[in-house]
Amino acid sequence: AQSVTQLDSQVPVFEEAPVELRCNYSSSVSVYLFWYVQYPNQGLQLLLKYLSGSTLVESINGFEAEFNKSQTSFHLRKPSVHISDTAEYFCAGGGYQKVTFGTGTKLQVIP
Amino acid sequence: DSGVTQTPKHLITATGQRVTLRCSPRSGDLSVYWYQQSLDQGLQFLIQYYNGEERAKGNILERFSAQQFPDLHSELNLSSLELGDSALYFCASSASATDTQYFGPGTRLTVL
Repeated sequence: AQSVTQLDSQVPVFEEAPVELRCNYSSSVSVYLFWYVQYPNQGLQLLLKYLSGSTLVESINGFEAEFNKSQTSFHLRKPSVHISDTAEYFCAGGGYQKVTFGTGTKLQVIP
Repeated sequence: DSGVTQTPKHLITATGQRVTLRCSPRSGDLSVYWYQQSLDQGLQFLIQYYNGEERAKGNILERFSAQQFPDLHSELNLSSLELGDSALYFCASSASATDTQYFGPGTRLTVL
């Protein structure tokens, strides 16, 4: 069965420090992986996605995630966070006909 | 603006009542999803429709039901409401089951 695990429910980090939000997936079928972000009082929006090809995917606001098949991971990273990155981040994985969301990681950027 | 619209934005009602939440997907999207988000349960997938047919079910209670109409809009019906049903309800749409999901702004339901 398809499952997505986000290992940290909350991650506090100082502004301009690097951050990694962890995500592991399990699947026995073709894998599509997504990171969504939810800013306060808003709906979720796509941050980046992996469908195939290069295992490193990047977003327009400096985040990147690497698909690691051997470790079944799709961790999200940013080398230097800003206050505006404070949000909840959801990892999601898709197999045939279905997408499963993780439980979310709240990123708190401390000034 | 994701292109997904949800009405109403806020809904306040009493226990035991029934409400209907409405969602219009992005133009051309055939898949519609419903999610419930609360502080204690986080984001919970409820149900998915694809071109009018139910495609997947998540943690949807028997008191809840949904449908997708020929014009592809969807409605989520919540009945015999309980205090614990108070939450944000999101609708999302996508072109297919594994494409990017576009989320609406949500309906905040408060059950008093």
